[in-house]
Amino acid sequence: GAGVSQSPRYKVAKRGQDVALRCDPISGHVSLFWYQQALGQGPEFLTYFQNEAQLDKSGLPSDRFFAERPEGSVSTLKIQRTQQEDSAVYLCASTQAGARGDTQYFGPGTRLTVL
Amino acid sequence: QKEVEQNSGPLSVPEGAIASLNCTYSDRVSQSFFWYRQYSGKSPELIMSIYSNGDKEDGRFTAQLNKASQYVSLLIRDSQPSDSATYLCAVTPGGDKIIFGKGTRLHILP
Repeated sequence: GAGVSQSPRYKVAKRGQDVALRCDPISGHVSLFWYQQALGQGPEFLTYFQNEAQLDKSGLPSDRFFAERPEGSVSTLKIQRTQQEDSAVYLCASTQAGARGDTQYFGPGTRLTVL
Repeated sequence: QKEVEQNSGPLSVPEGAIASLNCTYSDRVSQSFFWYRQYSGKSPELIMSIYSNGDKEDGRFTAQLNKASQYVSLLIRDSQPSDSATYLCAVTPGGDKIIFGKGTRLHILP
């Protein structure tokens, strides 16, 4: 595709609900990243995939957060039993090859609001 | 200590002047350094990447890297109102993940 796409663009959830956020990276891009960006902060790393392998999930804040990329293209970030502190913009980025030194192309983000 | 430090600003610069944005990082093995621009409500977009000590110029933008001082900066010459945004410094501290600073808000005064 022309760029990284994310859906939905906006999501409102009641506390305790499960949500699933989707990322479609640029076609052929090997690496995919998820970030959480709170208001007024920089993006915080959550997790990273190279193809279908999740190589780093050290940034996931709790076991309520789960990400997958089963076929090495589309990725889903799932948040179970959402809490108010999960409210943020969730950004997805992809790179052509490895991450180190490679340009990250960001999607438009999903703004999650937990009531 | 946060891995990537930036002054949050706002930094106000008159139109046509030079804007200077600074960033320090804590991990000496960091190899790649990036500046991203983020307009309000939008996603970050890459402006500059730099990998070795010295200066790298691209149009009105110059990135400067000093690994000994663990310092990277971005200069914007002939600042325009359209440069008003948040500028994010990002570093790869080893491994594949990228660490972002909180960003500096830049305001160009017409």
